[in-house]
Amino acid sequence: AQKITQTQPGMFVQEKEAVTLDCTYDTSDPSYGLFWYKQPSSGEMIFLIYQGSYDQQNATEGRYSLNFQKARKSANLVISASQLGDSAMYFCAMREGRAGYSTLTFGKGTMLLVSP
Amino acid sequence: ETGVTQTPRHLVMGMTNKKSLKCEQHLGHNAMYWYKQSAKKPLELMFVYSLEERVENNSVPSRFSPECPNSSHLFLHLHTLQPEDSALYLCASSQAIGYEQYFGPGTRLTVT
Repeated sequence: AQKITQTQPGMFVQEKEAVTLDCTYDTSDPSYGLFWYKQPSSGEMIFLIYQGSYDQQNATEGRYSLNFQKARKSANLVISASQLGDSAMYFCAMREGRAGYSTLTFGKGTMLLVSP
Repeated sequence: ETGVTQTPRHLVMGMTNKKSLKCEQHLGHNAMYWYKQSAKKPLELMFVYSLEERVENNSVPSRFSPECPNSSHLFLHLHTLQPEDSALYLCASSQAIGYEQYFGPGTRLTVT
């Protein structure tokens, strides 16, 4: 089974609207971490936001928030007030176990296109 | 320089050439990584170094040879590559294994 599943190959949104990018994960480890990355056409992967499995509140970073639903094993990224510069590939990733012991597994990504 | 840098940004090499990719991190991190990103494929983790020791090698062909002389530098030595090795090679670093990773801009490699 895939550890990280991103079911949306592509998403379209108009500027200034909010968009949700889906991510589901599969692990039996009670301790894990979830990450979102943005990859513009230039190629560099940019870290956006992190959520730990024991964190009580959903993570937020500026216009990015993570809708963490533990029982459903989902960690969707919400981008509010989309901007043209948000057009990029977005990757969800998971670390199983505590930090310091295991590496990240990445999903296949979702391409987001923001139109004027 | 700040963050993670990679050189060269673009590389074209023949199948019989030997070349090296260089990565440098200026973040004081202890873990460094090499990833391969091919078109329409998920990001593939190739090598992981923690405190200059290799801790993971994900069945990468021996024509790829990593080197980590210190915690700030990581190299990927390439020799007798195949056309299917053409890809974007990304270097990343993190405070320790499992923490958020910070990536360099990548080297776009074309093997002819």
